[in-house]
Amino acid sequence: DQQVKQNSPSLSVQEGRISILNCDYTNSMFDYFLWYKKYPAEGPTFLISISSIKDKNEDGRFTVFLNKSAKHLSLHIVPSQPGDSAVYFCAEGIGNEKLTFGTGTRLTIIP
Amino acid sequence: DVKVTQSSRYLVKRTGEKVFLECVQDMDHENMFWYRQDPGLGLRLIYFSYDVKMKEKGDIPEGYSVSREKKERFSLILESASTNQTSMYLCASSLGGRRVASEQFFGPGTRLTVL
Repeated sequence: DQQVKQNSPSLSVQEGRISILNCDYTNSMFDYFLWYKKYPAEGPTFLISISSIKDKNEDGRFTVFLNKSAKHLSLHIVPSQPGDSAVYFCAEGIGNEKLTFGTGTRLTIIP
Repeated sequence: DVKVTQSSRYLVKRTGEKVFLECVQDMDHENMFWYRQDPGLGLRLIYFSYDVKMKEKGDIPEGYSVSREKKERFSLILESASTNQTSMYLCASSLGGRRVASEQFFGPGTRLTVL
């Protein structure tokens, strides 16, 4: 049973516009949330994180939003750039550092 | 910078062979992890280790074993490779201890094909 779901396998966005990637989870015990970005033939790299005590965290063009009541996490990228084209994974964890990853969303930025 | 290296980028093995995938990290991290990545399934945790000689099963440990004899090295072993173990294998490490928003650092991956 998939505890972390990314329901959109792919997303295309025009360069300069906002990209919104979504993630839903079922385990209310998760206490921190992360987004990773993965280019082909490379390992995932950490992008941004948020703890369960917050509802928003911002880092440059990237903002993560957490809605605990809806068990929903989203990543906003503004403005989107061609280099943002990659597969994005959300991940959730509980204290002991074991992360549960989503299925991934392939983001394509159209020049 | 943290560096996580994996012994091979591409590997082709035959059904029934014993396969070793090696991972080394150079930042004295306590925790190490092995995942596999398959289309539509995301990253699934096979095994992880919090310390030398310690190991914990992840979500899909069947058909795999691991070894951690030294802190910096974590090996994944396929005792008898099968075609359904064809996948991208990713190793990761993290600092350790109870941390909020813990970041895992990944290696480049090994694409294993079992014929």
